[in-house]
Amino acid sequence: AQSVTQLGSHVSVSEGALVLLRCNYSSSVPPYLFWYVQYPNQGLQLLLKYTSAATLVKGINGFEAEFKKSETSFHLTKPSAHMSDAAEYFCAVTSSGGSYIPTFGRGTSLIVHP
Amino acid sequence: DAGVIQSPRHEVTEMGQEVTLRCKPISGHDYLFWYRQTMMRGLELLIYFNNNVPIDDSGMPEDRFSAKMPNASFSTLKIQPSEPRDSAVYFCASTNRLDNSPLHFGNGTRLTVT
Repeated sequence: AQSVTQLGSHVSVSEGALVLLRCNYSSSVPPYLFWYVQYPNQGLQLLLKYTSAATLVKGINGFEAEFKKSETSFHLTKPSAHMSDAAEYFCAVTSSGGSYIPTFGRGTSLIVHP
Repeated sequence: DAGVIQSPRHEVTEMGQEVTLRCKPISGHDYLFWYRQTMMRGLELLIYFNNNVPIDDSGMPEDRFSAKMPNASFSTLKIQPSEPRDSAVYFCASTNRLDNSPLHFGNGTRLTVT
């Protein structure tokens, strides 16, 4: 079985501030982890993915995420928020325990204030 | 690559009417997924296909919902009869393989049932 928990349905930051979006997963076998971004009136787009090659993963638009097995976490960060980062962010997990069908978190809405 | 194409983008219908949503996956992708997104439930997997064959439809809410994939380049999701609680954004997504490959989402169909 696999599951994903995203802490905080909304995160608000000022432009230029650090962005931290939290994701914790549960999987009985080694997982693959993904972050997707959804802009208004659009579908989800891949931001980055962890596939066991490296624990620190860099994605598009300056985002990165670190896989921490001991904490079962895959938090998403960006050093300096931009107004254009305002969107909904989804964490997802796949594993052999779930037949590699993605399980998505509930999503976190990132609000960026000028 | 045109990406996953969904039509229509918006659909407004009256309760009791039949609704058909359409999806064209990315060429060469063997897996196709239908999701429903609502504020209350987040992103829900309805059904997925592999090589045009439905593999898991356990997420389909009721018999009013049905999905088909007559060929590798086309799928439909039908609701008959529609009800106000079916109002949601419906997404189609495709991928060439499971495990560490991301899903590619269409821009969704926003369904409103009055």
